[in-house]
Amino acid sequence: AQSVTQLDSQVPVFEEAPVELRCNYSSSVSVYLFWYVQYPNQGLQLLLKYLSGSTLVESINGFEAEFNKSQTSFHLRKPSVHISDTAEYFCAVSDTGGTSYGKLTFGQGTILTVHP
Amino acid sequence: DTGVSQNPRHKITKRGQNVTFRCDPISEHNRLYWYRQTLGQGPEFLTYFQNEAQLEKSRLLSDRFSAERPKGSFSTLEIQRTEQGDSAMYLCASSHKGGFNYGYTFGSGTRLTVV
Repeated sequence: AQSVTQLDSQVPVFEEAPVELRCNYSSSVSVYLFWYVQYPNQGLQLLLKYLSGSTLVESINGFEAEFNKSQTSFHLRKPSVHISDTAEYFCAVSDTGGTSYGKLTFGQGTILTVHP
Repeated sequence: DTGVSQNPRHKITKRGQNVTFRCDPISEHNRLYWYRQTLGQGPEFLTYFQNEAQLEKSRLLSDRFSAERPKGSFSTLEIQRTEQGDSAMYLCASSHKGGFNYGYTFGSGTRLTVV
């Protein structure tokens, strides 16, 4: 069975400050890793994903995450946040194959609040 | 690409009533997933279909829950004899048979409130 732990339930920061949202996972098999963002009363939007290749992946709006296999982590970072980044962020994993491929296991979420 | 469509967006029902939600996936996606998200939690997997076949069901899916995907197109999720604990956001997602590189998209969800 897989599990995902997001270490911070809420992260308050000031605008233009850096931020890190932490994610650790547990799995007995290889995994793909994802970060999703959710704005109030909306569905989930994919922020970035690690499937293979470079362990550092980036999004179009300045977020990045690094897959660390030895520490089973996939922390999300942004060097300078904006008010518009205020949202809830979810880390998720999926098996890379087999019958459970495509089934996402999510963490409990981290609410990022950016203050002016 | 018109996205994944879920209807209704909101549903308020009395305890004990039956409710049905609909999900229309992206047309070229052959896999369809249902998740449930309660307040303050991440989404939890309920079930998924590959074409019209239901391949896996979570133990969260009690006997009161049933999902169908006739003809491998849209899907419905029915909850019978609703309970207050069923109040949640129900999310649908669809994916291309090629896997995550080719798209995995969530709908906006149906928010169910059982009173």
